[in-house]
Amino acid sequence: KAGVTQTPRYLIKTRGQQVTLSCSPISGHRSVSWYQQTPGQGLQFLFEYFSETQRNKGNFPGRFSGRQFSNSRSEMNVSTLELGDSALYLCASSLGGSVNTEAFFGQGTRLTVV
Amino acid sequence: AQTVTQSQPEMSVQEAETVTLSCTYDTSESDYYLFWYKQPPSRQMILVIRQEAYKQQNATENRFSVNFQKAAKSFSLKISDSQLGDAAMYFCAYRGFQGGSEKLVFGKGTKLTVNP
Repeated sequence: KAGVTQTPRYLIKTRGQQVTLSCSPISGHRSVSWYQQTPGQGLQFLFEYFSETQRNKGNFPGRFSGRQFSNSRSEMNVSTLELGDSALYLCASSLGGSVNTEAFFGQGTRLTVV
Repeated sequence: AQTVTQSQPEMSVQEAETVTLSCTYDTSESDYYLFWYKQPPSRQMILVIRQEAYKQQNATENRFSVNFQKAAKSFSLKISDSQLGDAAMYFCAYRGFQGGSEKLVFGKGTKLTVNP
């Protein structure tokens, strides 16, 4: 079956712009989580959506937002981009609804802010 | 808040040898899951092995096994008969039960090099 698909794979944006990243989970998965990966901070949790509701949120400013659609696809938006937002953004999907579920990751979107 | 610490930024091993990657964590929860993920240069995070905290038996997946010491909050990964394809970043991760969230807390990672 198809894995987690993230689009686009690469993105270059200018400071002050906004960006939207997309994540299509594995069919049947209802939970989508987002992570930011940087060399300095490592992997940091952004937020998690389950059945279109944000279930948990990490310690990121309000410029970072997300949503989930009825088909479980999720989007992440970053407004007023800063140089420090340059990172690999990873999306993970899981069945959700149970503690014993495996998270499957996409290949990520590499965002570069110039 | 839960934290995960990987004290070895880099490790190397000879092909066919055994290597152990260390991980410690801090939590006040009694039930949780621990994971080891592998991230090769392709960036795809792949689950290597997982351990439920309530299970005393250490998890094993082919050449990969863990040494889970709950009281010491230690969760090391042993890779036996190392292969060139094992070269990657390895991340230790924690997931608690609070709120039913799927949130994973990751360590900083260990870069594993496999020498031929």
